[in-house]
Amino acid sequence: DQQVKQNSPSLSVQEGRISILNCDYTNSMFDYFLWYKKYPAEGPTFLISISSIKDKNEDGRFTVFLNKSAKHLSLHIVPSQPGDSAVYFCAGSSGGSNYKLTFGKGTLLTVNP
Amino acid sequence: GAVVSQHPSRVICKSGTSVKIECRSLDFQATTMFWYRQFPKQSLMLMATSNEGSKATYEQGVEKDKFLINHASLTLSTLTVTSAHPEDSSFYICSALARLNGYTFGSGTRLTVV
Repeated sequence: DQQVKQNSPSLSVQEGRISILNCDYTNSMFDYFLWYKKYPAEGPTFLISISSIKDKNEDGRFTVFLNKSAKHLSLHIVPSQPGDSAVYFCAGSSGGSNYKLTFGKGTLLTVNP
Repeated sequence: GAVVSQHPSRVICKSGTSVKIECRSLDFQATTMFWYRQFPKQSLMLMATSNEGSKATYEQGVEKDKFLINHASLTLSTLTVTSAHPEDSSFYICSALARLNGYTFGSGTRLTVV
């Protein structure tokens, strides 16, 4: 059972345009969501997060939107830059004593100059 | 910011041998550490959760006798892949959780068993 789904394995956008990465989840116990960026052969690096009590969180060029009723979140990157090219993972957490993260399969973003 | 050091970054071993991977939190104390495994084009799959001074909690389907986890201090956790087989070849990543720092990931270890 895939609790976090990133249905687009890849996305290609032009430099300067907006990148929108989507994520759906099925576990209604998730109360915290995170986005990570990952380059090949490296560990993920944290980008931005959102609590389930919010519907939007913004940090510079990155904005995450959460639609709880649809169990959907999205990451917007604007303007996109070639250095943003990487795999982006969405993750959900239900808190608790062990704070486990459940990851999606990731979306490979390519920003073309 | 919080830094997690993971070593080695790459290791090639012969089938049947054991490999140890270290995960250290360099500038903070990690109350909990996690070990993940990633296959190509797949998500990071949580293998186990380790809390300092106690036994690791393994996810369903992960053999605890094969993947030995030791979290002997607040800054060090180790994963030992015992009697490695080619199907154990994968990318292993640790992450550390600290109260104020949230999650921080190591840089990963590419294990190849030949």
